[in-house]
This record gives sequence, C-alpha cells and structure tokens, in this order.
Amino acid sequence: DTEVTQTPKHLVMGMTNKKSLKCEQHMGHRAMYWYKQKAKKPPELMFVYSYEKLSINESVPSRFSPECPNSSLLNLHLHALQPEDSALYLCASNRLAGGHGELFFGEGSRLTVL
Amino acid sequence: DAKTTQPTSMDCAEGRAANLPCNHSTISGNEYVYWYRQIHSQGPQYIIHGLKNNETNEMASLIITEDRKSSTLILPHATLRDTAVYYCIVKGGATNKLIFGTGTLLAVQP
Repeated sequence: DTEVTQTPKHLVMGMTNKKSLKCEQHMGHRAMYWYKQKAKKPPELMFVYSYEKLSINESVPSRFSPECPNSSLLNLHLHALQPEDSALYLCASNRLAGGHGELFFGEGSRLTVL
Repeated sequence: DAKTTQPTSMDCAEGRAANLPCNHSTISGNEYVYWYRQIHSQGPQYIIHGLKNNETNEMASLIITEDRKSSTLILPHATLRDTAVYYCIVKGGATNKLIFGTGTLLAVQP
C-alpha cells in the first residue's frame, strides 16, 4: 500500500460550522504534513508532525487545528473559517521523520467556505 | 533553505526530451535538489533528488552543475501525460520543511 488517502474529497461548509479533514497512510511513515493550495498557486506548508508530535506550525491561524491520533492518521479540524480559506488541502507523508526522503501526497480535499 | 528560480512555462513536442532548468545559486553544501510535479487536480508527485552527482531513475534524469548553482531535469521522451507543473526545491537534510516555489508549467504538445 503506497497511498495517502484523504477524505472527504469535497467539503462545503459555512463560516459557523465545525468540520474535519482526514488523512490516512499505512506505509509506516513517521512524518505527516498538511499543505494548503489556492488555485494556480504552489502548495503552502501548514503543519508537520514527526513521530505523532507537532514539529512545524507555519504560523497558521488557530481556526485550523491539526491532530495526529496515531502514526497512521492525521486530522485537520476546521472551525470558524473564512471564505478565503477555500482551497485544496493536501496531506503528505514521509518515511523519515527528519531529513531526506520523498513525500507521498494524497489527492487532496477541496474545501469551499460559504 | 535556498531559493530557486524556474521559467514560468515551457513547451515540448511529444516524443522529444524535455529539459527543465532550475537556478539555485545560494544553495549550501548540505542542501539537496528535489523535483516534484503536479498534474492538474492531483497531489504533487516526487520525481527525483540529488546532492551533487547526476541521478537517473525510471521517470527522469537530474543533471547538477559542478558548482551546484543550477540543475536540469530531463524527461527523455515526453508524453502528453507529462503535462504538469514541475517544482524544483532545495532542501536541507536537517529539516522536514519542503517549501514549493512557483514551478514551471510544462505543456507537451502533440
């Protein structure tokens, strides 16, 4: 299994809603990532977890709350989002918790905030 | 991490080699050059990486100049399915951060 699976593929939410994005990998990878991608822009790093601990937070607003319940699962909890948060949210994993190695990306969850 | 400079877009004829350049003049000794691509509406895909020696795998070849200030990704026989945004990224070994630049949109023409 060499896949990173993201659910849901599409999500529409209002500004007062609370929702979550989910990411799973069963490759035994020890680092997991969240990226945000706006249309026609490169992916922007949001968070990195290493060995299930948050190691990098790229000054992301607190309305985005990551969680890594176990080594295979990464969640992104969403609350009180703004329309400008509408984007493709990409999850990735890396076999190595630090240093080199390729990142495996999921297909993304496309979020629309109304 | 060092910044990279890539052309905004390039065209390539199907079946020909696609040569994608990348400048990284401020790269430091322990930083690697990575290439990823992103086909429309998909997640990015790893292609190849290298430190100073040329590298080849089943997808592409990576040529790094001797001074390491620039590199070229070569797709030997481009197909229509290679149409994508190609990202050249310089990354140090001591960090988990993979920061994407603006990339090159490669359009393979029939």
